[in-house]
Amino acid sequence: AQSVTQLDSHVSVSEGTPVLLRCNYSSSYSPSLFWYVQHPNKGLQLLLKYTSAATLVKGINGFEAEFKKSETSFHLTKPSAHMSDAAEYFCVVGPHTSGTYKYIFGTGTRLKVLA
Amino acid sequence: DSGVTQTPKHLITATGQRVTLRCSPRSGDLSVYWYQQSLDQGLQFLIQYYNGEERAKGNILERFSAQQFPDLHSELNLSSLELGDSALYFCASSVGSGGLTGELFFGEGSRLTVL
Repeated sequence: AQSVTQLDSHVSVSEGTPVLLRCNYSSSYSPSLFWYVQHPNKGLQLLLKYTSAATLVKGINGFEAEFKKSETSFHLTKPSAHMSDAAEYFCVVGPHTSGTYKYIFGTGTRLKVLA
Repeated sequence: DSGVTQTPKHLITATGQRVTLRCSPRSGDLSVYWYQQSLDQGLQFLIQYYNGEERAKGNILERFSAQQFPDLHSELNLSSLELGDSALYFCASSVGSGGLTGELFFGEGSRLTVL
């Protein structure tokens, strides 16, 4: 069975400081992993994805995530937060070839950026 | 713009009524997924269709039904509406059925308010 845990429901950072949003996953197979961002009253937008290529994945808007198999983690980082980064972020485990067809969403982390 | 189109964007109706939400996936995508997002329950997977066939089912109520048509657009039918059905309903599409672990592309959502 697959599962995903976002360790923080809310994170607050000051503008210009680093962002760290934590995600741990569980999967019986080599997972595909995604981070999505949702701004208020908007749809979810893909930030980045890991599909067993490079373990350090770069995404849009300066975000990146590192796949660490030994820690079963896929944390999202950004060196310097911008006010426009304030949103909700979802970590997602994707389906695999033999078994579930479902994408498993974390419960989300709401990022607040302070001026 | 994700390429996924949802209509209507907003819908207000009364308890006991029936509504239909429509989704057009990205060109070339064969899979359509429906999600419900509410404040108290977060993002909930409802159902997935692949090339016209139901592929996976989540927490979809018996009062809700969906289908995917030959032109690949999908409709989500919600009947005997209750106050608790008020939520944002998202459609997402992907290329494959789950064996191809591509990302999901989300529409902007349909906001349903039941009075």
